[in-house]
Amino acid sequence: SQQGEEDPQALSIQEGENATMNCSYKTSINNLQWYRQNSGRGLVHLILIRSNEREKHSGRLRVTLDTSKKSSSLLITASRAADTASYFCATDRVQAGTALIFGKGTTLSVSS
Amino acid sequence: SQTIHQWPATLVQPVGSPLSLECTVEGTSNPNLYWYRQAAGRGLQLLFYSVGIGQISSEVPQNLSASRPQDRQFILSSKKLLLSDSGFYLCAWQGMRTSSPLHFGNGTRLTVT
Repeated sequence: SQQGEEDPQALSIQEGENATMNCSYKTSINNLQWYRQNSGRGLVHLILIRSNEREKHSGRLRVTLDTSKKSSSLLITASRAADTASYFCATDRVQAGTALIFGKGTTLSVSS
Repeated sequence: SQTIHQWPATLVQPVGSPLSLECTVEGTSNPNLYWYRQAAGRGLQLLFYSVGIGQISSEVPQNLSASRPQDRQFILSSKKLLLSDSGFYLCAWQGMRTSSPLHFGNGTRLTVT
């Protein structure tokens, strides 16, 4: 079952620009996490935001969470070519324990 | 430090053959363990997760099964592979807190021919 849905599916920007990706989910959550995946590799955890938090920062990453709209956004500022990857949001369902459900991801391409 | 090992990295198997993918974790105890599958250009589909030895939860009914014979070992199996089983299989471990991040292996690329 799909819990999170990211949009856009693909995003192409120039180095130095900001990249914004959105995630919507369906059921109540404990927390929401964002992950990054380089082509052909496993996912790497970027940042976690709890359901009682509205915004969180980590380096060039800024995540917001709106539980009333069941949505989150990931902002990458001053993008670099090395940020080229797929980005996924993942949520845990309150009723289903710890299992994380991932969205389909946003593929970000940053050109120099 | 904790590490996760997943093998093999690539695998080509004929339809109807059996499958066994293994994942082991080092440097942690009582991890939650996960198997996900990723079709080409798609998101991750949760297949199985385990919160302890012998405890397996299945998310999608299919011809795959999982076992956890030891605390830090998670095995994905099939008796007879289907073409639709092709994909990128990812194992991950998580600490016991619900807010813990997942740590992924490098994945196994399975092609069923």
